[in-house]
This record gives sequence, C-alpha cells and structure tokens, in this order.
Amino acid sequence: QDQLLQSGTEVKEPGASMKVSCQPSGYAFTSYAIVWLRQARGQGPEWMGLISPHSGDTNIAQKFQGRVAMTRDISTSTVYMELRSLTFDDTAVYYCARGRGTNSPVDLWGQGTLVTVSS
Amino acid sequence: DVVMTQSPDSLAVSLGERAAINCKSSHNILINSNKKNYLAWYRQRPGQPPELLISWASIRESGVPDRFSGSGSGTDFTLTISSLQAEDVAVYYCQHYYNTPPTFGQGTRLEIK
Repeated sequence: QDQLLQSGTEVKEPGASMKVSCQPSGYAFTSYAIVWLRQARGQGPEWMGLISPHSGDTNIAQKFQGRVAMTRDISTSTVYMELRSLTFDDTAVYYCARGRGTNSPVDLWGQGTLVTVSS
Repeated sequence: DVVMTQSPDSLAVSLGERAAINCKSSHNILINSNKKNYLAWYRQRPGQPPELLISWASIRESGVPDRFSGSGSGTDFTLTISSLQAEDVAVYYCQHYYNTPPTFGQGTRLEIK
C-alpha cells in the first residue's frame, strides 16, 4: 500500500530552523513529485512548494523563497523540507504529499508533522 | 495568487439528504487548449490529513463513493453529496492547481443535522 511516513513532532524556539523528513513507500521513489504543505489550526492547507525526487528540481512558493529548502536523498528514498528563521506564525501541521507536478492535485498525504514555535 | 472562496462556511444536513458546497475562483481555471478545469476537492476528517475526492473538477478518484460528484467550469464549481452518510462529517476544501502557488479555499464544515 502506498504511503508517506513523516518524522515526528517538533518544538522550536523563534529564530531556529526545522527539518521534516518524508519517506515514501509502496511505489517508485522517483516516479512522483513530493509536495510540501502546511496547515495552521483552523485554516485551510497552504502550498509551500514541491521537489522532483528524480531530478532534485524544486518549485518554491514565492512566500517561502529564501527561507525554505527542499532536498532528497535517493539512497534512502527520503525527502526533506527545511524551514529557517522560524516565527510564531510558522506553528502548523506540515504535510508531505504526492503529486505529478505543480499543475496536478495531490493524491496521497503523509500523516502530518506538528511543529510548534514557542519561547 | 488565485483566491478560492467557498460557500457556505458551514452546513448541517440530515442523514440521507443532499449537500452542496460551492467554490469560486478569482481567475478562470479552465485551460481551453485541453478543456480541463484545474480544480480538486478534498475531504478532511477530524484529526486526519485531507484526502483527494475529485480532480479536474469532476473526475472521482478510485475508491471514492459515487454519492460524491463535482461540477462546474471556469470560475464556479460545486461539490455535491447526493445522500449524506455519517462518515461524511468533515471539512471540505477546493483547490486550484492552475498555476503557482496552488491555493485552497477556506473550507466548508459539514455536520449532521
């Protein structure tokens, strides 16, 4: 069964960085893009960007450019999303999801990773 | 960015009755060259990630019950649940994927009356 397994809950201080991992299973790692989204409490999801595990190419939403990095490790079939210079507004559940590119929906979601920014 | 606006914000429907959720985009998300509307609908049950129900405005995903249907074109879209079941209690989101960034509506909370 296809699934995306994400790393666990994190608590960070303002100004710190966070790094969430996402490990697909059940399908070929390089066959689909991985999209990163986040969802603050009571809000709709927010698209942050995507990475092609095949090429490593990324497409990052303008809002996050310069503050987010998306990488992949083909040897371990793992994708990473790092967000720097955290503020309280970055408190959210972060999801990885599977898609075919920017112009496609996401058809499989990870379980989510709660990141709390707190002093 | 394309703004997606859903209505209503919340909806209470009796079991077995019909529910309809509307979604309006600030930009035409129909591409004439391929006649496709770049719109998806998701269901998010409490404590769960969203799950894809419908893509391309009207194509049901594999395994999605046929009581779910999507319609509309251009800027105005509707998700219809023909006969509400208890497991449909959730928040529903529309999303465009016409350009970067894809954006979501604010969500519609569906409850049992």
